[in-house]
Amino acid sequence: NAGVTQTPKFQVLKTGQSMTLQCAQDMNHNSMYWYRQDPGMGLRLIYYSASEGTTDKGEVPNGYNVSRLNKREFSLRLESAAPSQTSVYFCASCWDRDQPQHFGDGTRLSIL
Amino acid sequence: AQSVTQLGSHVSVSEGALVLLRCNYSSSVPPYLFWYVQYPNQGLQLLLKYTSAATLVKGINGFEAEFKKSETSFHLTKPSAHMSDAAEYFCAVSRLTGNQFYFGTGTSLTVIP
Repeated sequence: NAGVTQTPKFQVLKTGQSMTLQCAQDMNHNSMYWYRQDPGMGLRLIYYSASEGTTDKGEVPNGYNVSRLNKREFSLRLESAAPSQTSVYFCASCWDRDQPQHFGDGTRLSIL
Repeated sequence: AQSVTQLGSHVSVSEGALVLLRCNYSSSVPPYLFWYVQYPNQGLQLLLKYTSAATLVKGINGFEAEFKKSETSFHLTKPSAHMSDAAEYFCAVSRLTGNQFYFGTGTSLTVIP
């Protein structure tokens, strides 16, 4: 059982470069989420998709865009990377708000 | 607005001692509540969840949590700490409307042999 798969696991970028973080889930979940995790700040929601075809901003959306490609896949794009976006990024999915989220193993992103 | 507060960013206990990790939520309506554990270089894993069926919730690895509406709390406990319990623990809530989850800032648990 793969669960939630994130690619890549590690990435180093230069300031101004762009990249897309990929996330796929095989549990037929309706909702998908992107978080960033920084020391002492817990998980902060960047964007989420409550269902296929919809996306909404979370707490810290600036500098990011997302695409819910289909029910399985939810990608996060950094158009022009900045050092402040150095973080660990987690994708998660769930059936509904009363159900637990399932997390990927994270993408560790460093921006120089 | 902060919906979840975890008191104590670092907690140390001796092996075999009681583990108590605190979580308070801010909501006029009891939300759905979750505890997750994160081991180094891994994603979060569910420990337990409260969805109004019972106020005392039992989870994996011997952990349990009690929902107390009057105190707006959902503290996590384990009677006897094991070395393998050393990890980061997160409390999370979701509301009855909307699809967002809100996480606390986490508590790092150290178990001293």
